[in-house]
Order: sequence, then structure tokens, then C-alpha cells
Amino acid sequence: AQSVTQLGSHVSVSEGALVLLRCNYSSSVPPYLFWYVQYPNQGLQLLLKYTSAATLVKGINGFEAEFKKSETSFHLTKPSAHMSDAAEYFCAVSGDGGATNKLIFGTGTLLAVQP
Amino acid sequence: DAGVIQSPRHEVTEMGQEVTLRCKPISGHDYLFWYRQTMMRGLELLIYFNNNVPIDDSGMPEDRFSAKMPNASFSTLKIQPSEPRDSAVYFCASSRTSGGARETQYFGPGTRLLVL
Repeated sequence: AQSVTQLGSHVSVSEGALVLLRCNYSSSVPPYLFWYVQYPNQGLQLLLKYTSAATLVKGINGFEAEFKKSETSFHLTKPSAHMSDAAEYFCAVSGDGGATNKLIFGTGTLLAVQP
Repeated sequence: DAGVIQSPRHEVTEMGQEVTLRCKPISGHDYLFWYRQTMMRGLELLIYFNNNVPIDDSGMPEDRFSAKMPNASFSTLKIQPSEPRDSAVYFCASSRTSGGARETQYFGPGTRLLVL
């Protein structure tokens, strides 16, 4: 069975500081991995996804993530945090080893950005 | 494209009442998913459809919950009778089939349900 683990349910950074949100996955087959963002009182929006092409994936709003098979990780980073990045971030894995795009979500990381 | 549309956005009801949540997926999308989000349990997949057919309903909590997709542009999630523990945000999402597991799911804005 596939799963993802997000370390740190709450992360706080200062504006302009590096953002690092951690995600580790477990999968018996090559995974497809996603990062979604949820702003307050809104639905989830795709930030970026890894689909077995380049291991360094660039997304919207200056975010990027690197797929590291040896570490079973897909951490999300942004060089310089902005106040507007305050939101909840979800890592997810899909596939179930088949064609379905059923997603398994992590528990989420709430990012706070301090002025 | 208008994106995934959900209605109502907010629903307040009393315990024992029937609640119906509605979803219109993005045109051309073959998959439709229903999720529930709570503080305690996070995001849970309740059920999903492919080409209007339910594929996996193992996440549906109990018989009080039912979902239908009568056509490609409409789905409902019904709770009857509702209970206070059903209070949550319910999301609908849709995606295409073509890319399989690579496809992005597009989420609606959610329905915030409060059962008193």
C-alpha cells in the first residue's frame, strides 16, 4: 500500500527565509507525487507534481520539489517566503500500482510566515 | 472553464435531517472524487466514480452516506439522517482519464457542513 508522511504539522518561517516542507513516501511501485496548497476557506490547488520525468520539479509561485528515490523523499522548497505563502500544504501519492489516479494524502503542514 | 462547482457552499442543519451536497465536474473529466476534511481525520477519500460508475466506495463511513452520478456533469452526496459528527468540509474533485495516475485532480471550493 502507498502512503506519505509529512514531518511537522506546523512550520513557521520569517518573510524572506527559506521554506522547507518535508514529505516522505512509501510505495511498492514507482510513485507519482503531488504537492497541493490550500488557502483558508478554499479548495486544494496543485503546486507541482512528479511524474517520472525530471527529478527536480518546478511549480507555481516559486516552489519546487526534488524527487529522491534513495531517500524516498519529495520535499517542497521555496528560497524566499512571502506573506502570501501562508497556507496548508499537502503531499500526496497516486497510482495504487495501476492506472487509477486515486490520491493518498498526507496529514498536511500548516505554514505560517512571520513579518 | 469555471472549474469544479459545488453547492451549497455552506449548510447548517439539525441532527436527523437529510443533507444533499452537489457537484458539477469540469467538462470532459471522467473521474469524480468526493472527499471529507476534518481537523481530527484530515482529508479522507469517500468515494470515486469513473465514467459515472462508482469504482471505490470503501471510504464511505456508513450506510447513512450515499453518492450518485446520474450523468457526466452532476453528482450528489447525500447524508440521511445527518449527525453532528458529520460536520466537516466536503470537497468534490475531478480529473481526466488519459494520463492515468499522472493526472491532476482539480478541487472545488468545498461545502462546509455543520450539523447541530
